[in-house]
Order: sequence, then structure tokens, then C-alpha cells
Amino acid sequence: EPEVTQTPSHQVTQMGQEVILRCVPISNHLYFYWYRQILGQKVEFLVSFYNNEISEKSEIFDDQFSVERPDGSNFTLKIRSTKLEDSAMYFCASARGSPYEQYFGPGTRLTVT
Amino acid sequence: SQELEQSPQSLIVQEGKNLTINCTSSKTLYGLYWYKQKYGEGLIFLMMLQKGGEEKSHEKITAKLDEKKQQSSLHITASQPSHAGIYLCGAPRVDSNYQLIWGAGTKLIIKP
Repeated sequence: EPEVTQTPSHQVTQMGQEVILRCVPISNHLYFYWYRQILGQKVEFLVSFYNNEISEKSEIFDDQFSVERPDGSNFTLKIRSTKLEDSAMYFCASARGSPYEQYFGPGTRLTVT
Repeated sequence: SQELEQSPQSLIVQEGKNLTINCTSSKTLYGLYWYKQKYGEGLIFLMMLQKGGEEKSHEKITAKLDEKKQQSSLHITASQPSHAGIYLCGAPRVDSNYQLIWGAGTKLIIKP
């Protein structure tokens, strides 16, 4: 069964450094998403991406964040200058048609020290 | 803004017993997802409900969507240690085409 994959599974970085989190969505999916979950808190929407552009973003997704689909398979989330409060589990999701049928990857745990 | 409230927040159940977890939305539900998560780990998809009155089952887990009550319930029959974890509900936000909003989770502990 096709699945969403994410790399790395765990990333440790120093405050102020740039990180890129990578996702490979399910191959025939058209909608792509990033969510995050700070440990012990709710899952929060960050951004959705469709037709090579951001379709919606939350207040969390400020200028420090960017997303890209550099080729036909990868979907990346970049954080330019990480802060301690960016430490969280980041989930990628994709959907084929209906934007509501979202399939999630296993997550990347980001630790900012 | 729309909120999803899960109840109970935590649950300790004797192995073999049945249990129910609820997820109530402050606004209309246009679908609902149930996921399971081990603390600090990834989201394991359980079920997606799309229509009012819909009921789905997988192994010993059954989920229902009550549109009128703006609520979904997840029922586990004859609980096992493998059912332990955090159960999360997620739903499409009514004023968005893309976002899912989430409940805070129900932590389930199974006592042997």
C-alpha cells in the first residue's frame, strides 16, 4: 500500500540554523500539507500546497518557513533560522482529490538546542 | 474558531472491557478522522467518516459519525494491551478547504 514517507526521522539542530524537512507524498496525490505537534499539545496546521503554490497557511507559518516541491516527488519544509520553540514533531500529509482525505507520514522530530 | 473537544481526556480500562471515546465539534462536521498515536510518535490512521450516520469498523474498533450532534464516537470492544495509546480525532475546518483541526487526544491505558 502506498504511503507518505518523511526524512529524517529525527533532526537535532542548533538555534539559528536552517533545517529542511523532506517528504515524499503518495505518487498520484495533488494536495500536500505540513502540520506540527509540540510535545504534549494538539496537532496544528501549518500550510497546504496545491498546483505548485501555497493554497492556505496558518499564523504559525511566518517568513521563517517556506515550502517547495523541487521535483515531481519531494515536498520540503524549510525553516530558515530555527528557534527553540520550533522543536516539535512535523508531519507531512498528502491527498489525491478531496482535500479532506489526508494521509500522514510518520513525522520528523525536530529538536532545536 | 472551530474546536474539537475529546472526552474523556484519559481512560484506564481493565483488559477485556469495552470503552468509548467521544469527539465533539463546536461547528458542523463535514467528516472526521480517527488516529492513534504513541506518545511522541507518528499518527496511525484508524478510520475516516465522511457522511452523517456513517459507521465503520476495523477489527475491534468501531467509529460512528452523528452529524446532528456534531459528534463522533470511537468504541473499542474487548480491549487489549495493543489498544493502549493516544486517540486523536481530526476534522476539516468549516471555513477552510484544506485545514484539519484536531482534538487534544484521549490517553488510553489498558490494565492487565
